[in-house]
Amino acid sequence: SQTIHQWPATLVQPVGSPLSLECTVEGTSNPNLYWYRQAAGRGLQLLFYSVGIGQISSEVPQNLSASRPQDRQFILSSKKLLLSDSGFYLCAWRPDSRYGYTFGSGTRLTVV
Amino acid sequence: GENVEQHPSTLSVQEGDSAVIKCTYSDSASNYFPWYKQELGKRPQLIIDIRSNVGEKKDQRIAVTLNKTAKHFSLHITETQPEDSAVYFCAAADSWGKLQFGAGTQVVVTP
Repeated sequence: SQTIHQWPATLVQPVGSPLSLECTVEGTSNPNLYWYRQAAGRGLQLLFYSVGIGQISSEVPQNLSASRPQDRQFILSSKKLLLSDSGFYLCAWRPDSRYGYTFGSGTRLTVV
Repeated sequence: GENVEQHPSTLSVQEGDSAVIKCTYSDSASNYFPWYKQELGKRPQLIIDIRSNVGEKKDQRIAVTLNKTAKHFSLHITETQPEDSAVYFCAAADSWGKLQFGAGTQVVVTP
């Protein structure tokens, strides 16, 4: 069966520090992968998506970046965090566009 | 791109009553419409979905209807229970296959 792993679960980082969040999927190959952010009490904002290794599409310009170094690994990064980067970051995957997403357990990021 | 609007933003219902959440979308090419339930501090969980070739789908107390002509779809929860309290999100897959989400509806079921 397919599973999605996301870590860490919580993170407190100072302003200006770097960020690296990792997401991996097991039990499938060539999944579509997504990064979403959810501000407190708000909806889900699509940040990046990837349909294959090295293929990244950005939805919202910001100081975040994403990479897909391996088929089942998706990484969200920042060189310098801003206070506004605080939120609940969710990785998601699906086999192809015919199916819904399955979300990872999320990372709650607080920038202080 | 796709734009999804969701109403109401909050919904209070008495236990046993029905709850209805409505969404509209803008991209006529959208063909997949899932609904997610998110409990406090947890990840969104898929509860039901519908495709554009179907007008209605039901799963026990939950049903979803789709009107492609009007570009709107709705979630219906019957015989609500306290454990139905959560935030519900609708979504639509745009022409690129990406899901765009509505802003969410906070459902509170009071005993």
